[in-house]
Amino acid sequence: KAGVTQTPRYLIKTRGQQVTLSCSPISGHRSVSWYQQTPGQGLQFLFEYFSETQRNKGNFPGRFSGRQFSNSRSEMNVSTLELGDSALYLCASSFSGDAWNEQFFGPGTRLTVL
Amino acid sequence: AQSVTQLDSHVSVSEGTPVLLRCNYSSSYSPSLFWYVQHPNKGLQLLLKYTSAATLVKGINGFEAEFKKSETSFHLTKPSAHMSDAAEYFCVVSAGGSQGNLIFGKGTKLSVKP
Repeated sequence: KAGVTQTPRYLIKTRGQQVTLSCSPISGHRSVSWYQQTPGQGLQFLFEYFSETQRNKGNFPGRFSGRQFSNSRSEMNVSTLELGDSALYLCASSFSGDAWNEQFFGPGTRLTVL
Repeated sequence: AQSVTQLDSHVSVSEGTPVLLRCNYSSSYSPSLFWYVQHPNKGLQLLLKYTSAATLVKGINGFEAEFKKSETSFHLTKPSAHMSDAAEYFCVVSAGGSQGNLIFGKGTKLSVKP
C-alpha cells in the first residue's frame, strides 16, 4: 500500500504571495489532517477534513485554509504569506480520524518564505 | 484540555545502554497516547500507542512505554540503544473522542554515542 504523499516537497515563496500544498492519503483513508512544524512552536494542528468537510480546526488565522476532494485528496492554501509561515507542513491520514486511529504522516512540504 | 510535557529536550546515551525518554500528560478523561519518531529529513513514524488496553505497550524497534495513571506518565524506554535510534521523539496525546487531532510535546532529541 502506498504511503501518504505530499507535493511539492520544497517551496520558496516571497512575502505576500499565496501557496497551495497537496496531500494524497493512503487508499481507503477518509480523514486528512494538516500540521505545521517550526523550531519555535513545534508541531501544531491546523485542521482536519473528513468526507470533504472540515471537522476540526486549530488556532491559526483565516489565511490558512484547506479543502478535501471526493477522492480524499486534500489541499492546503496559505494566502498573503508572512515570514513566520516558513515551516515544514505535514499531512497525516487515518481511516476515520477518531482518537484511537493511527495517523500516518507524509514526508512534508518545506515552505520557505523570503 | 489535553496536553503533554516532555521533560527533557535532549538526551544523550552510549550505544548499548538503556534509553529513557520522559513524558507527562494532562487529560480530563482516559487519553489515547502515542510516541512518534522523526529521523532527519523524514516524516513522523508511529513507535507505539496506548488506547486503554494493556498499560505496558510494546512498539517497533524494541521500544516500549508504560502508562501510569497515578503518575500521569507515559515514559518511553529501550533496553539497549542503537546508533540508528538517534532521532527526535515526540510524545503525543489525542484530543479525544471524535477529535482525533494530535497534540504534540516539544520533542526530545536522542543522541547515541558510539
